[in-house]
Amino acid sequence: AQKVTQAQTEISVVEKEDVTLDCVYETRDTTYYLFWYKQPPSGELVFLIRRNSFDEQNEISGRYSWNFQKSTSSFNFTITASQVVDSAVYFCALSEGSNSGYALNFGKGTSLLVTP
Amino acid sequence: GAGVSQSPSNKVTEKGKDVELRCDPISGHTALYWYRQSLGQGLEFLIYFQGNSAPDKSGLPSDRFSAERTGGSVSTLTIQRTQQEDSAVYLCASTLMGVRGEQYFGPGTRLTVT
Repeated sequence: AQKVTQAQTEISVVEKEDVTLDCVYETRDTTYYLFWYKQPPSGELVFLIRRNSFDEQNEISGRYSWNFQKSTSSFNFTITASQVVDSAVYFCALSEGSNSGYALNFGKGTSLLVTP
Repeated sequence: GAGVSQSPSNKVTEKGKDVELRCDPISGHTALYWYRQSLGQGLEFLIYFQGNSAPDKSGLPSDRFSAERTGGSVSTLTIQRTQQEDSAVYLCASTLMGVRGEQYFGPGTRLTVT
């Protein structure tokens, strides 16, 4: 069963638009961690954020912001004023104790294309 | 500082041959993971090492896959009698803050089995 669902396979926006990438997860653990990674065309996975299940406070880092809502099991990612350099595949991931060594369980990814 | 490094970056092999993929984690990181990224399966966990402990092999897809980690640092993933379905990008990650911390990924090894 898919534990992390990223329903948006591809999104295309014009530069300076805001865009939200959705992530819905499923777990029975009370302690778990949520992550977002960026995979640019170069291929390397770049860590963006880690959140634990006890901290629902939203986080903002520059143009990036994350909205964690346990009530809806969602951990959405918003890019404000998107730029061409934001074009990449973005992965949401879940880490829980029932996984070996808290290994990451990834969603299928959302491919974001930002055009000038 | 230096990130996770992997070698080779690309490997083309004939079906039935054995291959070895290497991962050098960030210095001081105790936990090391191998993942595989393929078009059909997405990103999937393969194996996990914590320090010098025996690895957790629960994610390995078949007994043709094995891995070791020497001295709690460098790891080698070995695939015996490669099959075409083994073609994928093999990613290594390490983490400092114990198993709950963020995992830092290497650039991956692209394996093509012909």
